[in-house]
Amino acid sequence: GQQLNQSPQSMFIQEGEDVSMNCTSSSIFNTWLWYKQDPGEGPVLLIALYKAGELTSNGRLTAQFGITRKDSFLNISASIPSDVGIYFCAGQLGYDKLIFGTGTLLAVQP
Amino acid sequence: GAVVSQHPSWVICKSGTSVKIECRSLDFQATTMFWYRQFPKQSLMLMATSNEGSKATYEQGVEKDKFLINHASLTLSTLTVTSAHPEDSSFYICSASLGDPRRSNQPQHFGDGTRLSIL
Repeated sequence: GQQLNQSPQSMFIQEGEDVSMNCTSSSIFNTWLWYKQDPGEGPVLLIALYKAGELTSNGRLTAQFGITRKDSFLNISASIPSDVGIYFCAGQLGYDKLIFGTGTLLAVQP
Repeated sequence: GAVVSQHPSWVICKSGTSVKIECRSLDFQATTMFWYRQFPKQSLMLMATSNEGSKATYEQGVEKDKFLINHASLTLSTLTVTSAHPEDSSFYICSASLGDPRRSNQPQHFGDGTRLSIL
């Protein structure tokens, strides 16, 4: 099935550092979503983006919907140990299907 | 709090048996639910779209006779893995949107997943 290109694949950082990850696609999407998944659990929605160029924050998280509608990035500022997990971007086609990115594994060392 | 409930959270069964997984929307009606499969260290792959009152729409490569989907009510969709074999072992996750995804651009919320292990 189709997947989005997400990078980096993994990140190992120190507590307090800022993190940036991005997602690119060859297709245009109407909506970009960012999810976090902890081991053995389902993804939890972090941020939803609906307009090209939109920049949205949720606490220490900031995400942007690329102008071309083919990319998005997620920034996490001042990382803490509980930020550990796998982050997925997802593009939405129309109003239903989600196409997921390949995921970014984040490890935060206290 | 959780808006989508999935049951069971894990199941172990013998090869050849059928396994049913439930996905419920809590306190809202979901005309459309989605079923995903996730193998270890991989991303989520959409298997099928479950439509209340009509047949499910399966993604290419997903056997509809193998993975039976029933969306009998506006709050419940079930996925039955028929005659399960070890290669069907995976993490199955459902999702639903708050509101009709054809009319409102509400993001999907996910259940906690079901770990299926076939011996």
